[in-house]
Amino acid sequence: KNQVEQSPQSLIILEGKNCTLQCNYTVSPFSNLRWYKQDTGRGPVSLTIMTFSENTKSNGRYTATLDADTKQSSLHITASQLSDSASYICVVSAGSGGYQKVTFGTGTKLQVIP
Amino acid sequence: DARVTQTPRHKVTEMGQEVTMRCQPILGHNTVFWYRQTMMQGLELLAYFRNRAPLDDSGMPKDRFSAEMPDATLATLKIQPSEPRDSAVYFCASGLQGTANGYTFGSGTRLTVV
Repeated sequence: KNQVEQSPQSLIILEGKNCTLQCNYTVSPFSNLRWYKQDTGRGPVSLTIMTFSENTKSNGRYTATLDADTKQSSLHITASQLSDSASYICVVSAGSGGYQKVTFGTGTKLQVIP
Repeated sequence: DARVTQTPRHKVTEMGQEVTMRCQPILGHNTVFWYRQTMMQGLELLAYFRNRAPLDDSGMPKDRFSAEMPDATLATLKIQPSEPRDSAVYFCASGLQGTANGYTFGSGTRLTVV
């Protein structure tokens, strides 16, 4: 069964600090992995997308890594800001060609405090 | 910026009533998704269209839910009859297959069935 597990469930950090969120998956055959940021009351917004051959990708202060062998990904946030407070969702797609099965993690809720 | 537009933003209805949610995908996107988000389950994929044809609706309770794309600018999700357990935020997302871009989510329809 395709599964995506995220940890921690929730996290509180001080403004300016760094943090790392984890995503482990058992999806197969792997196609791509995406990290989304979801602000309260809003739809998720894409941060990064990685395919099998990519092991790191950055988007500003966000850096995602992917280890396809261990089926793990992490999202590192550098110099956190209050606006980083949100849920971060890992999404893994399986399959190839025209059809892909999408599995969502349940998210990590991050709170950045002053 | 191009946006996915969902209507209504909020809907409160009585159990047993029909509910229709609408989504206008981004012009040119050929892939449309319907998701449901609850505190308990997180994000769940309900249905998935490519070029207006349904590819996967296995996540949708077929006895009461139906999803259609009458044309490329409109996707609908209908619940009939609605039940209190259908209370959730329903998101529509669109994307273009074959690109490295993420899916763009709408702001969601918050449905409350009383």
